[in-house]
Amino acid sequence: DVKVTQSSRYLVKRTGEKVFLECVQDMDHENMFWYRQDPGLGLRLIYFSYDVKMKEKGDIPEGYSVSREKKERFSLILESASTNQTSMYLCASSPSGQGHNQPQHFGDGTRLSIL
Amino acid sequence: AQSVTQLGSHVSVSEGALVLLRCNYSSSVPPYLFWYVQYPNQGLQLLLKYTTGATLVKGINGFEAEFKKSETSFHLTKPSAHMSDAAEYFCAVSDHGSARQLTFGSGTQLTVLP
Repeated sequence: DVKVTQSSRYLVKRTGEKVFLECVQDMDHENMFWYRQDPGLGLRLIYFSYDVKMKEKGDIPEGYSVSREKKERFSLILESASTNQTSMYLCASSPSGQGHNQPQHFGDGTRLSIL
Repeated sequence: AQSVTQLGSHVSVSEGALVLLRCNYSSSVPPYLFWYVQYPNQGLQLLLKYTTGATLVKGINGFEAEFKKSETSFHLTKPSAHMSDAAEYFCAVSDHGSARQLTFGSGTQLTVLP
């Protein structure tokens, strides 16, 4: 079974802090993704990566950056946290298969509160 | 650009009744379609997917969905609801292009009444 592990389930930080959210997958997947989930808005893609050291902006990258130094690890960074970044953050991974029909596998999420 | 619309942010059914969760998509190319379920305080779990071939797709926990190209729909059904089906359900679409990402609907919260 694929395991996607997010380092924290709950996190409380203050405005202006630099925040790191870590995600590790154990299935040698090429693709990794960061989403934020807000009520009524579904999941919105922040950034994704399809290879080590590669990254692509998603739909809402402003205020975020990412790092992928190793294949199994994908980090989301809030450069200067703001209250509007309070949300549930979900990490996912998928293999590169034929076409893009490979499902994404999700971690349990990090509920981040910015005070 | 692709998009997903889930009709009804909240759906309530009685235990044993039919579950029908609606999903319509727009895509300029043939889509791949997915349904995910999210239980409280958990990540998303794949229920089923449509790629090519048979338009009626069976998934886990007794769910199935039918791809109807003419209606651009991919509705999720289950003949008989169980209390354990209470969760949030997300429809998602991916196209055959260079992008690997999914576009998600806004979700439907399913409540099962005893």
